[in-house]
Amino acid sequence: DTGVSQDPRHKITKRGQNVTFRCDPISEHNRLYWYRQTLGQGPEFLTYFQNEAQLEKSRLLSDRFSAERPKGSFSTLEIQRTEQGDSAMYLCASSSGSGVAPYEQYFGPGTRLTVT
Amino acid sequence: DQQVKQNSPSLSVQEGRISILNCDYTNSMFDYFLWYKKYPAEGPTFLISISSIKDKNEDGRFTVFLNKSAKHLSLHIVPSQPGDSAVYFCAASITGNQFYFGTGTSLTVIP
Repeated sequence: DTGVSQDPRHKITKRGQNVTFRCDPISEHNRLYWYRQTLGQGPEFLTYFQNEAQLEKSRLLSDRFSAERPKGSFSTLEIQRTEQGDSAMYLCASSSGSGVAPYEQYFGPGTRLTVT
Repeated sequence: DQQVKQNSPSLSVQEGRISILNCDYTNSMFDYFLWYKKYPAEGPTFLISISSIKDKNEDGRFTVFLNKSAKHLSLHIVPSQPGDSAVYFCAASITGNQFYFGTGTSLTVIP
């Protein structure tokens, strides 16, 4: 078990460009979450998958954001037409959804996005 | 609206003493609470959790207390060690579908 991994770790892009991030959860975890974190704040929930189904989506997630989890394994988060306000750390987490500790989330290292 | 609040941005404690980190919440529907530790340039690391049916959970040096009537939870670290210096986040959830995090408390343990 290698934990949750995210790629890339850093991304610098120009305003208006599209970016895509990838998250690979812990293999036996069926729940996957995306968060955004800015300086001095806690992680803000963006969206949540149970297997391949996207079950919750925050009001913070504008139409420029889309997430997928094909086949219930890895997930991608795409931001279209990036804006400077999108600059943040994007975190992915997974949890088992069952058993003794169903809701304990394990986080990846995050992808730092800078929009210039 | 901030449903989970950590009102102390920072805390300093002497090595060996108790660290107490506090968290308040507003939504009485929350049924699961967690504490995370975060080092710079890393994702949060899970520490300890508690279900709303309990009022205390202990794991080694870490104990979480839940006071539902006051909508308050706290994390006690005894004894505190320099390696505990990090930012601590509390989080709350309703059946694990969506999680709300506080803004964090930066703990410094002084050797």
